[in-house]
Amino acid sequence: VVMTQSPATLSVSPGDRVTLSCRASQSVDINLAWYQQKPGQAPKFLIYSASTRATGFPARFSGSGSGRAFTLTISSLQSEDSAVYYCQQYHKWPYTFGQGTKLEI
Amino acid sequence: QITLKESGPTLVKVTQTLTLTCTFSGFSLSTSGVAVAWIRQPPGKALECLALIYWNDDKRYSPSLKTRLTVAGDTSKNQVVLTLTNVDPVDTGTYYCVHSFWSLHNHWGPGTLVTVSS
Repeated sequence: VVMTQSPATLSVSPGDRVTLSCRASQSVDINLAWYQQKPGQAPKFLIYSASTRATGFPARFSGSGSGRAFTLTISSLQSEDSAVYYCQQYHKWPYTFGQGTKLEI
Repeated sequence: QITLKESGPTLVKVTQTLTLTCTFSGFSLSTSGVAVAWIRQPPGKALECLALIYWNDDKRYSPSLKTRLTVAGDTSKNQVVLTLTNVDPVDTGTYYCVHSFWSLHNHWGPGTLVTVSS
């Protein structure tokens, strides 16, 4: 399953609301996760089942979608949200990641 | 508290075999639903799932690397070992050991950078 993310890079300002897109080459139902990766760090588990927020992330992070199209929305951006965001499908092995969206704030 | 840590060589030569060890704590690999995954990331690139070993010793390998990969678990030592044979410079990258629960990769090790030199 090929995962395609857009845009590749997004430059935004603090307080903005942004939506990142992830599309699967075939349906993955809601078996979709999002990760946040900051420079020099391992990815952090952010969203699972397309819309359930993992422990430790604030409510300004939200996910939606099912089937082939998914979005990650971050409302009221803060400087610490600067990172690369990856989507991953875990519907079918091999589990595959998108190429990432780099968020610059 | 779940923790994982990768260990192994930082530099390997082309055609050699890379062996990485994941040492973990805070969970048991014999618990139903638990798996340990190996995921790698070439410098500046995206993530790639390499292998998974499940609580029941079932294993999954990346189809593109299947002939070169082996994963094995040792529940008594709380370790998982990944072996990658016949390495090439394209195998250079950070290798992560990841706790997975019902396919959710929710705890990651810090990663270990492996460079393959020619």
